[in-house]
Amino acid sequence: EPEVTQTPSHQVTQMGQEVILRCVPISNHLYFYWYRQILGQKVEFLVSFYNNEISEKSEIFDDQFSVERPDGSNFTLKIRSTKLEDSAMYFCASFWDIGSEQFFGPGTRLTVL
Amino acid sequence: KQEVTQIPAALSVPEGENLVLNCSFTDSAIYNLQWFRQDPGKGLTSLLLIQSSQREQTSGRLNASLDKSSGRSTLYIAASQPGDSATYLCAVITGTASKLTFGTGTRLQVTL
Repeated sequence: EPEVTQTPSHQVTQMGQEVILRCVPISNHLYFYWYRQILGQKVEFLVSFYNNEISEKSEIFDDQFSVERPDGSNFTLKIRSTKLEDSAMYFCASFWDIGSEQFFGPGTRLTVL
Repeated sequence: KQEVTQIPAALSVPEGENLVLNCSFTDSAIYNLQWFRQDPGKGLTSLLLIQSSQREQTSGRLNASLDKSSGRSTLYIAASQPGDSATYLCAVITGTASKLTFGTGTRLQVTL
């Protein structure tokens, strides 16, 4: 069964460093989202991407964040200069059409020291 | 702004019991509602999706109902098993952006 994959599973970085989190969505899906979950808190929306552009972003998604779909399969989230408060589990999700079931990857645990 | 609440926050039941998890949302103009399961330190596994026009969905031992007008959904788990132990998350989509708004979850433990 097709699934969303994410790499790495765990990333440890120093404050101020750049990180890139990678996702491979399900192949025929058209919508690609990033969510994050700070330990003990709710899963929260970061950004949505459709037709090669951002369709919506949350207030969390500031200038330090960017997303890209560099080829036909990968979907990346870049944090330019990480902060301690960026430590969280980051989930990629993909789906076929508005209102359809969203499928999540296993997540990348980002730890900023 | 949509707010999603799940009650109870934690639940422990003996194996074999039937149980109900509750989810409520403040804005009834939802597009759909999705239930997920999350194991500790892991990703989200989709369990059921209910469109706003539907009243319920079933998958195996799981049955989810939706009462849009009252802003409520329930997830019914029949004949619980220790393997059902996990956190169950409810999430709704409001508007056309398709972003999910999540509840804080119900942590379920099924004991032998």
